[in-house]
Amino acid sequence: TQLLEQSPQFLSIQEGENLTVYCNSSSVFSSLQWYRQEPGEGPVLLVTVVTGGEVKKLKRLTFQFGDARKDSSLHITAAQPGDTGLYLCAASMDSSYKLIFGSGTRLLVRP
Amino acid sequence: KAGVTQTPRYLIKTRGQQVTLSCSPISGHRSVSWYQQTPGQGLQFLFEYFSETQRNKGNFPGRFSGRQFSNSRSEMNVSTLELGDSALYLCASSLDRTFSYNEQFFGPGTRLTVL
Repeated sequence: TQLLEQSPQFLSIQEGENLTVYCNSSSVFSSLQWYRQEPGEGPVLLVTVVTGGEVKKLKRLTFQFGDARKDSSLHITAAQPGDTGLYLCAASMDSSYKLIFGSGTRLLVRP
Repeated sequence: KAGVTQTPRYLIKTRGQQVTLSCSPISGHRSVSWYQQTPGQGLQFLFEYFSETQRNKGNFPGRFSGRQFSNSRSEMNVSTLELGDSALYLCASSLDRTFSYNEQFFGPGTRLTVL
């Protein structure tokens, strides 16, 4: 059973469209991070959210942490081909330095 | 500031052999974690080292081991390789500020293929 459920698994959209990716769990997290990974490379950290209800913006990307710190969403406005990649959410739980990763959302933005 | 570096980037081994992968963390980062990434299982935590001590361990067999040196550089070793060990092995370092703000920065990974 996946502790962190990401949806959708795959997303293929046209340039200029908006999209939202979800990361859900029944567990409460100390913090949650979003990464983007390109083929053959390691994940690149996009953002960390710590406080329930927190919203962070990174250019066209908006990240939200749920009030109960059990879920998060990533919204991309006016997607561009450069946004193509694997988006991963990862969470820290309890007093552990271990990161638990979601299964990922593979995004393809067509020109 | 230089990022996390991993060597080698690509490795081909045969079943039964052993392999050692190396990771140099970002300067000043004292915590190093290792992950295995496969298409079927995604990213799975292997272990984490801090000040030369293994602080956390994932659910992997004893064939997977690691260590950290006094300069925070880390190595992981896989003995008696199996076909299923083929994966991208990722190393990540963090400042170890607090577990509630565990930002990890990843290297490019080592692609291991077991034939």
